[in-house]
This record gives sequence, structure tokens and C-alpha cells, in this order.
Amino acid sequence: GQNIDQPTEMTATEGAIVQINCTYQTSGFNGLFWYQQHAGEAPTFLSYNVLDGLEEKGRFSSFLSRSKGYSYLLLKELQMKDSASYLCAAMDSNYQLIWGAGTKLIIKP
Amino acid sequence: ETGVTQSPTHLIKTRGQQVTLRCSSQSGHNTVSWYQQALGQGPQFIFQYYREEENGRGNFPPRFSGLQFPNYSSELNVNALELDDSALYLCASSLGQGVTDTQYFGPGTRLTVL
Repeated sequence: GQNIDQPTEMTATEGAIVQINCTYQTSGFNGLFWYQQHAGEAPTFLSYNVLDGLEEKGRFSSFLSRSKGYSYLLLKELQMKDSASYLCAAMDSNYQLIWGAGTKLIIKP
Repeated sequence: ETGVTQSPTHLIKTRGQQVTLRCSSQSGHNTVSWYQQALGQGPQFIFQYYREEENGRGNFPPRFSGLQFPNYSSELNVNALELDDSALYLCASSLGQGVTDTQYFGPGTRLTVL
């Protein structure tokens, strides 16, 4: 079956760094997406990885290891506005997104 | 702002009724996907349309159906509503079909079934 696993909740301090992990099992693989979702709002696109390695975009970076079925999202210099759920989604061989349940990130002052 | 709009924003229905949710995609986006998101869960794929034809379907019963129109708008219809259908319904548009294009989400419709 197809499955995405990510932690349910994480807590971090303002100004710090946090890493949110995601493991995936899909029928075929066409890339890994990270989305941010604030409570009551729609998901917004953060990153896309299809090749192994680290992609950096400002304070956010995303890493992929295809052989391990593993990705992480790294958030630096945390701000209070980063408090949100972070959704990992893998695209399968039919180009359909398989979503994790999301990691709720709580930022404390 | 993603350029994707949905209506209505909130809706209350009773069990057994039918509902139609609407989505307007970004201009030029030929693909629209619909998702159901229960509270505290990730989105669950309902189906996808590409150029007005269904292009893939998730594990949802036939009472969930859809349409896509040439003007980049689409509909999700749900018949015989059940209590478990209460959720946030999201549509997402993307440029192409069969390519790893980013999906841009609308703000969602919150459906409550009583």
C-alpha cells in the first residue's frame, strides 16, 4: 500500500532551527512536495524535490533520499508566523499526490 | 493568493441531501484536483480532471462526482450526504496532466452535515 509518515506535532523556540521528517512508500515516485497549512486555510506550496539532495529556499530547505524513501523540511530562524501544519506529499506513478496527515509545528517565544 | 477560488466558503446540509461545490482554477490551468480534508488529517484525493475528463480517482464512492468546464471552472457533487462527509473540501489547479506541476489550492469549502 501507499503510506506517508510524519510526526504529529513538534515544538520549537523562536529563532531556532527545526527539522520535520517524512518517510514515504508509494507505487512509483515522481517527487516529494512540502506544503504549509495555517489553521483553517488552504495548503500553500513550499518545495518540490525529485532528485536526491538538498534544495534551499530562503529560511526553508528540503532534502530527499530516494533510496531511503525519506525527506525532511528544515526551517531556520523560526518566526512565530511559522506556527502551522506542514504536509508532506509524495507523487506516485499515476501523478497523484499521496498526503501525510501533517506535522503541527508550535513555536514558543 | 493562488488565483484559485471556491464557493461557498461554508455550507450546512442535512443527511441525505445533495450538495454542489464550485471551483474556479487559475487561467490556463488544465488540471483540477479535488480533495477532502478531515480535521487534523491530510487531504484525501477524491478525483482529478484534465481537459474536462476524469483523469484519476481516489477511494471515494460513486456518489462523489465531478465536472470540469472549458472556462477553467469545475464542480464537485456529493449525493446522499452522510455525517462523515463533514470536512474541508479543497480544489487545486495545476498547469498540465501527467507532469509534476505544483498544485495551487483554493481556500476550501467547509461542509457540515447534520
